[in-house]
Amino acid sequence: DIQMTQSPSSLSASVGDRVTVTCRTSHYISNYLNWYQQKPGKAPKLLISAATSLESGAPSRFSGSGSGTDFTLTISSLQPEDFATYYCQQSYSTPLTFGGGTKVGIK
Amino acid sequence: EVQVLESGGGLVQPGGSLRLSCAASGFTFDTYAMSWVRQFTGQGLEWVSGISGSGGNTFYGDSVKGRFTISRDNSKNTMYLQMNSLRAEDTAIYYCAKKAVGKTVTDPYGLDVWGQGTTVTVSS
Repeated sequence: DIQMTQSPSSLSASVGDRVTVTCRTSHYISNYLNWYQQKPGKAPKLLISAATSLESGAPSRFSGSGSGTDFTLTISSLQPEDFATYYCQQSYSTPLTFGGGTKVGIK
Repeated sequence: EVQVLESGGGLVQPGGSLRLSCAASGFTFDTYAMSWVRQFTGQGLEWVSGISGSGGNTFYGDSVKGRFTISRDNSKNTMYLQMNSLRAEDTAIYYCAKKAVGKTVTDPYGLDVWGQGTTVTVSS
C-alpha cells in the first residue's frame, strides 16, 4: 500500500497569510494526487485533481504542485472560509489512500 | 443537479450485516467509477472500496477485504456496499463518492461529488 505523510498535522494562520501543506508518498505516483477540503459536519470537497488541476468552482488562491513523491497545496492568501481540514489522496493504485489531514486554524 | 445520496446506515450488532445504497442522479452513471469512503468520529478519511463504471472491476481496502462487497446496478443508477461480519471498528460515517473523470478507479483524478454520508454504528 502507498503511505501518505502529510504535514503539518495542524497550523495556525491569519487571514491574508500564505499557507503551505505538504504531502509525501511512500512510492512514486506520477501526478495521481488530489487535495480535498473538509469543514466540520460536511463531506469533503475536491479542490485539486492530478496534482495541479484546480476544480471548477474552487477559488484561484488554491494551487497544487509536485510530481513523483512530493506534493504541495498552497493557499496564496488565506480567507475566513478557508479554515478547515485539508487532505491529500493518491489515486495511483488501490487501495486508494489519504493523508492524515492538516487542520488550518485561526491564529 | 449532479448528486449522490446514501442510505441504509444504522445500528447493528457485532457480527451482523448491513447493505448501504448510493442513489445517483444528474449524470450518466455508468461512465464513472464510484467509491465508498468512511470517516471515523473526529478522525481522518479511509477509502473503503471502489468499482469501475461497468461494474466489472472491484477493489477493496485491506481492513474490509473479504467482509464487504461493492456492486452497482447501472439500470437503477445505484451503487451498493454489502457489509458482513461487522466489527465495532467499522463504526463510521460512510460516504459515497463519484470519480471526477472516467470509468476507472485508478487515474489522476479525484472524487468530485460526495453524498452527505450515512452513519453505521456497530455495537451490542
